[in-house]
Amino acid sequence: QQQVKQSPQSLIVQKGGISIINCAYENTAFDYFPWYQQFPGKGPALLIAIRPDVSEKKEGRFTISFNKSAKQFSLHIMDSQPGDSATYFCAARGGNTPLVFGKGTRLSVIA
Amino acid sequence: DTGVSQDPRHKITKRGQNVTFRCDPISEHNRLYWYRQTLGQGPEFLTYFQNEAQLEKSRLLSDRFSAERPKGSFSTLEIQRTEQGDSAMYLCASSPDRKQNTEAFFGQGTRLTVV
Repeated sequence: QQQVKQSPQSLIVQKGGISIINCAYENTAFDYFPWYQQFPGKGPALLIAIRPDVSEKKEGRFTISFNKSAKQFSLHIMDSQPGDSATYFCAARGGNTPLVFGKGTRLSVIA
Repeated sequence: DTGVSQDPRHKITKRGQNVTFRCDPISEHNRLYWYRQTLGQGPEFLTYFQNEAQLEKSRLLSDRFSAERPKGSFSTLEIQRTEQGDSAMYLCASSPDRKQNTEAFFGQGTRLTVV
């Protein structure tokens, strides 16, 4: 049973465009929702995170939108750049439990 | 470098051999996690420690796997009698033990190839 479902599996975006990745969860005990970025051969690196008391969080070109009633959250990358090409993972956890991850989205930003 | 450190970065072993990986967490991070990541998948939780106590183990952690954190600092993950299905990236992460801002920081991982 996958606790966090992520889509799409892969995404191709033109440089300067908006990249949107979606995640859905079932466990209402989840209270922390981070996004990680991973480059080939590297470990995942925390990009941005949100808690369910807010509906949106923005850090530079990266925005998380959170819909508690729908149990969904998404990552928006504005003005996407070739350097953003990586695999992105959504994750979730409740309290101090370990993170559970989505299966990842491979983003390619083309010029 | 004060990040999470893992050693070795790469390990190639023959099926049936034992392997041991080491993780040095960020200093003063009480929690330490082991994850496994296969190609095209997200990290899957294996086990975690709070200080030296192993608090949770995933059903993915068969009896061939054992993890320790003897002094509450570094941790080791041992796989006995390796199988080809054990080939994966083994990731270690650490986080502080606080109610808020409990971000998990990952190391670079150890890539295991069983031949």
